[in-house]
Amino acid sequence: GAVVSQHPSWVICKSGTSVKIECRSLDFQATTMFWYRQFPKQSLMLMATSNEGSKATYEQGVEKDKFLINHASLTLSTLTVTSAHPEDSSFYICSARGLVGGAQGPGEGRQYFGPGTRLTVT
Amino acid sequence: GQNIDQPTEMTATEGAIVQINCTYQTSGFNGLFWYQQHAGEAPTFLSYNVLDGLEEKGRFSSFLSRSKGYSYLLLKELQMKDSASYLCAGWDSNYQLIWGAGTKLIIKP
Repeated sequence: GAVVSQHPSWVICKSGTSVKIECRSLDFQATTMFWYRQFPKQSLMLMATSNEGSKATYEQGVEKDKFLINHASLTLSTLTVTSAHPEDSSFYICSARGLVGGAQGPGEGRQYFGPGTRLTVT
Repeated sequence: GQNIDQPTEMTATEGAIVQINCTYQTSGFNGLFWYQQHAGEAPTFLSYNVLDGLEEKGRFSSFLSRSKGYSYLLLKELQMKDSASYLCAGWDSNYQLIWGAGTKLIIKP
């Protein structure tokens, strides 16, 4: 269980265009979804956290008008990179989290990662 | 502040044992995770520790000492496919993951 899918797995777009990445929790309800970016040979960088039905909380230095996040349901969150530039080329990874703690046991509510989306902006 | 420290890179030999250490400082503590990440792929869950002691799972074991703010991941009978980055992450009081920068493990034949 606890599978997260991400689509597309890779995308190439032209500078100035927008790209939408979908993240879905396939067999559980994700109350919270996280979006990460990872540049080559660097660690994960959290971009934003979104709770279903609420506005996303962006990390410092991440432009909310450029990286639009929508978490309209308990199984779907989308990240739209608007007016993409070559420096936005990166590996974008989402993760989803269900309910934290409780009777489900330790570690429940941990993050489950999608397979990632490699974005190349030309 | 919150901080996770782990070595940047380690090298080990196929068939050997390697221990990757992690020290953490978080605002509150609700457990510590280890993830494996192969190049170009998303992280995959390896282990979770919230109580002191050793958790064994096949060739991989994870240890936690809450009083020392310390954890390690132990990999036995190393295989070439174990070459990856290993990420240590702590859960703070708000169940937010605080990530280490990752340890790149290089396995040599």
